[in-house]
Amino acid sequence: GAVVSQHPSRVICKSGTSVKIECRSLDFQATTMFWYRQFPKQSLMLMATSNEGSKATYEQGVEKDKFLINHASLTLSTLTVTSAHPEDSSFYICSAVSNVGSPLHFGNGTRLTVT
Amino acid sequence: AQSVTQLDSQVPVFEEAPVELRCNYSSSVSVYLFWYVQYPNQGLQLLLKYLSGSTLVKGINGFEAEFNKSQTSFHLRKPSVHISDTAEYFCAVSELSRGTSYGKLTFGQGTILTVHP
Repeated sequence: GAVVSQHPSRVICKSGTSVKIECRSLDFQATTMFWYRQFPKQSLMLMATSNEGSKATYEQGVEKDKFLINHASLTLSTLTVTSAHPEDSSFYICSAVSNVGSPLHFGNGTRLTVT
Repeated sequence: AQSVTQLDSQVPVFEEAPVELRCNYSSSVSVYLFWYVQYPNQGLQLLLKYLSGSTLVKGINGFEAEFNKSQTSFHLRKPSVHISDTAEYFCAVSELSRGTSYGKLTFGQGTILTVHP
């Protein structure tokens, strides 16, 4: 079946540094990718929708300058957490879909810890 | 805008017992409905989805769910659970009106199912 690979699975960084998370569709072309964030003991919240070759659409309350999303190819989207702070510590999950009406596939997530 | 409420944050149950995880939603338009399972430190795996047609949907691992439009519910059930079913389960909706994929999901708060031997 379709696979979405997310890397890294875990990352620890110091406050003020930037962290890049990659989301790759391994056996299909992902026209749209979604980035979610999950705080401990909470549900997943959609952060942004990313379409290949265009700017991401951010949900209300998500800082676009802090969470930079790039979807430069049909198989890769990246989320960069810039100038990370401890409150950015969370579980970030991407999902990808090939086209309208097709199934959604999730990556295994990235646990970010900012110290 | 839509919302999803999972009525139970935790459900403990003994192995081989039946289980029902409850989910209610609200939306001003028609929706697609999903149940996902999440194992610790992993992403989400789709259990089943309701798009149209029969209101009783069968998914993987012996789970099923029934869409009840009048009660705006989509409860998940399994007649006999296993230890391996211990995980967190999320109900989610996607608005039909968006005209795009099912990716823009609104999730419930999650229900932690713990199966005891």
